[in-house]
Amino acid sequence: EDQVTQSPEALRLQEGESSSLNCSYTVSGLRGLFWYRQDPGKGPEFLFTLYSAGEEKEKERLKATLTKKESFLHITAPKPEDSATYLCAVQANDYKLSFGAGTTVTVRA
Amino acid sequence: EPEVTQTPSHQVTQMGQEVILRCVPISNHLYFYWYRQILGQKVEFLVSFYNNEISEKSEIFDDQFSVERPDGSNFTLKIRSTKLEDSAMYFCASSVQYSNQPQHFGDGTRLSIL
Repeated sequence: EDQVTQSPEALRLQEGESSSLNCSYTVSGLRGLFWYRQDPGKGPEFLFTLYSAGEEKEKERLKATLTKKESFLHITAPKPEDSATYLCAVQANDYKLSFGAGTTVTVRA
Repeated sequence: EPEVTQTPSHQVTQMGQEVILRCVPISNHLYFYWYRQILGQKVEFLVSFYNNEISEKSEIFDDQFSVERPDGSNFTLKIRSTKLEDSAMYFCASSVQYSNQPQHFGDGTRLSIL
């Protein structure tokens, strides 16, 4: 069974204080690793897809990287609007996404 | 930007009643999904749907659940006889292809069973 573990559970940052979120996974035949952002009361909002080890994707203050066992989401110089829960999900040789429990990021001004 | 829309945003139902949750996927997407998220827990896969049939379902998706694409735009999830433990956020998602492509989610329906 696919396993996705995210750490830390919660992260409190000062505005401008860069940090990284971790997503470790166990899956047979990774087709893709996906990062989503979820705001309270909303659905997951797609951020990135990573397909193979060594791949990197960037969007504004966010950068996602992938190795054979884990992915990192780096937040550079975060702003309060970056406060959200960040979800990692993997897709193996089937249709479904298997999600981690998420990391809740709070950025204080 | 096209988006997945879900109605209603909140549904309150008595235990044992039938409920239908509705979704309008992104128009050029071919694959459709339902997920649920019980408060404080992970997002869990329920079912995927392609070409008018179920392509995969989880253990959660038992005989009480069914999905349908009644017309060219809507995708529905029916729970035939609701239980207290069905209380959760239900998310609809769609994708262009099933593999390697991101699934785009709606904002969910909060289902409360009394």
